[in-house]
Amino acid sequence: AQKITQTQPGMFVQEKEAVTLDCTYDTSDPSYGLFWYKQPSSGEMIFLIYQGSYDQQNATEGRYSLNFQKARKSANLVISASQLGDSAMYFCAMRDSFGNEKLTFGTGTRLTIIP
Amino acid sequence: DAMVIQNPRYQVTQFGKPVTLSCSQTLNHNVMYWYQQKSSQAPKLLFHYYDKDFNNEADTPDNFQSRRPNTSFCFLDIRSPGLGDAAMYLCATSLDPQHFRYFGPGTRLTVT
Repeated sequence: AQKITQTQPGMFVQEKEAVTLDCTYDTSDPSYGLFWYKQPSSGEMIFLIYQGSYDQQNATEGRYSLNFQKARKSANLVISASQLGDSAMYFCAMRDSFGNEKLTFGTGTRLTIIP
Repeated sequence: DAMVIQNPRYQVTQFGKPVTLSCSQTLNHNVMYWYQQKSSQAPKLLFHYYDKDFNNEADTPDNFQSRRPNTSFCFLDIRSPGLGDAAMYLCATSLDPQHFRYFGPGTRLTVT
C-alpha cells in the first residue's frame, strides 16, 4: 500500500532563511512520481516541483529543490531564501501504478514565514 | 490565463438541497478529477473521468455524482448535501494519469 508521511504539522521560519519540509513515502512500485504542491489560504493547489523515481538528478525549480534520497524513501522540499509569500500549506504527494496512478497526498505542513 | 476554472468560487446551499459545482478546462486534458478537502485535511479523491470512462472511488458516498458532457466540462452533483459535506471541492486535470495534475482554484461549499 502506498503511503505518504509528513511529520511536521507546522513550521515557523525567519524570512530569508532556507527551510526544509520533510516527506517520506512507501511504495514497492519501482516506477513512481513525487510531487509538491503549495496551497495558500485562497485554496488553490499550486504545483511546485516533480521528481520521477528514475530521475538521476534532484529536481530544481527556481527557489525550490527536492532532496530525493531514494534508498531512504525521502523526498524533502527545500525552499531557499524564504519570502513572506511562501507562507502556506505544503503537500507532498505520490502516484504509482500500484495505486492505479492515483495521486495520494500527505497530511501537509503549514509553513509560516516570520518577518 | 486560467487553465482550470471552477464556478462558483463560493457556494452556499441548504441541508438536503441539491447543488452542482462546475469545472472547465482549456488544456484539452484527457483526465478530470474531483477532490474533496475538509478543513486542515489533505485532498481526498472522489472520482475521475478518463475521457468518457467514469472511475468512482470505493469510499465515495452515493450522494456524490459526476457528469462529463464533453472534454472541457465536468460537473459534481451533490444530491442531498449534509452538514458533513461542507468542504473545499477541487477540480484537477491531467493529460493522462501519469502526468501531474493542474488544479483549479476550488469551490468552497457551505451547507446551512
